[in-house]
Amino acid sequence: NAGVTQTPKFRVLKTGQSMTLLCAQDMNHEYMYWYRQDPGMGLRLIHYSVGEGTTAKGEVPDGYNVSRLKKQNFLLGLESAAPSQTSVYFCASSYTGRRSPLHFGNGTRLTVT
Amino acid sequence: QQPVQSPQAVILREGEDAVINCSSSKALYSVHWYRQKHGEAPVFLMILLKGGEQKGHEKISASFNEKKQQSSLYLTASQLSYSGTYFCGTGSSNTGKLIFGQGTTLQVKP
Repeated sequence: NAGVTQTPKFRVLKTGQSMTLLCAQDMNHEYMYWYRQDPGMGLRLIHYSVGEGTTAKGEVPDGYNVSRLKKQNFLLGLESAAPSQTSVYFCASSYTGRRSPLHFGNGTRLTVT
Repeated sequence: QQPVQSPQAVILREGEDAVINCSSSKALYSVHWYRQKHGEAPVFLMILLKGGEQKGHEKISASFNEKKQQSSLYLTASQLSYSGTYFCGTGSSNTGKLIFGQGTTLQVKP
């Protein structure tokens, strides 16, 4: 039972490049989330999903897109990376959202130069 | 809007107690508490739900004042392992959205 797995663990991009972060969970959870963490800012919600085929915007969605084509996977895309997107990205999943604990992945450290 | 946590940082000696507060401007349905060690992912501590239900670890206690839209996490007889950053997350609607505060850094010294 792997829980929540994020790939890659580290990535360096140049400004304007694109990439996709993958989050996979094997707990049959309905809800999945993408957060970014910056020093002093806590965890800020980028996008989330309440089930397969659904996505919704969080607090800081600009510059990111997401897809949830399969229940176990939640993809976060950066179409044209900017230095302001340098951050640690955490994916999380939950059985029933606000009534259940979030299980976090180990994070992806992204640097945009 | 992010919930506000206080204090931002606290330093304790082993065995001392601490309280971390979380306040929201919105009506809350649930409050989550997590602890994060440096370089690691956040780990679940407790959920408090509207109506009084709680889920979490036996050694952690917390309160949820629905009318004031506030929650407090109580850390008693602190141990070195309690060191880390504590986050509260709030759910205020039926959308599944969970918003976190900016965190409270706790350092426990021998």
